[in-house]
Amino acid sequence: KAGVTQTPRYLIKTRGQQVTLSCSPISGHRSVSWYQQTPGQGLQFLFEYFSETQRNKGNFPGRFSGRQFSNSRSEMNVSTLELGDSALYLCASSLRGGDYEQYFGPGTRLTVT
Amino acid sequence: AQSVTQPDIHITVSEGASLELRCNYSYGATPYLFWYVQSPGQGLQLLLKYFSGDTLVQGIKGFEAEFKRSQSSFNLRKPSVHWSDAAEYFCAVGAGSNFGNEKLTFGTGTRLTIIP
Repeated sequence: KAGVTQTPRYLIKTRGQQVTLSCSPISGHRSVSWYQQTPGQGLQFLFEYFSETQRNKGNFPGRFSGRQFSNSRSEMNVSTLELGDSALYLCASSLRGGDYEQYFGPGTRLTVT
Repeated sequence: AQSVTQPDIHITVSEGASLELRCNYSYGATPYLFWYVQSPGQGLQLLLKYFSGDTLVQGIKGFEAEFKRSQSSFNLRKPSVHWSDAAEYFCAVGAGSNFGNEKLTFGTGTRLTIIP
């Protein structure tokens, strides 16, 4: 069974721009969670989507948003990029909403200049 | 709110030696506990999990972990490390008191270096 895939793997953007990251979960998994990983803050939960609805949200500003499609694929959007948004963004899939057992993709490395 | 502490930022071990990585959690009830491993430039791979039952759990790659409620710990062990085990290891706790706020909380990670 194929794992979680994330595209693109690497991205360089300029301050003020916006960016969209994509995540395809493991086949049959219906929940997608997003995390931000930085050297200073570690791994932080952004949000979870299940059945095309945001089910849970971490403590991030409204510039960070996401959505989920009917095939469970998810996208994450960051608007008005700031230098501090440079990070590895990880997507994780699980069978159902609220599942703690999560399987991670390889991540998207975002660099904001 | 739940929290996870990994007291060792960096550990160096000789190849073939045993390994123990420490993890302490804070949560009022019995948590769901996980260990993940992350190689440079990669995502996180699930090594093992504890939900309930036997407090000694076996995982992939020869790793095991023991849940000790009295010490609020979930330490990861391996009897003999291989050079390929060099990576960053994260302990995580899954907890949530209400429907809709379940989430994984991660420790800050322990970087493992293997020397020949």
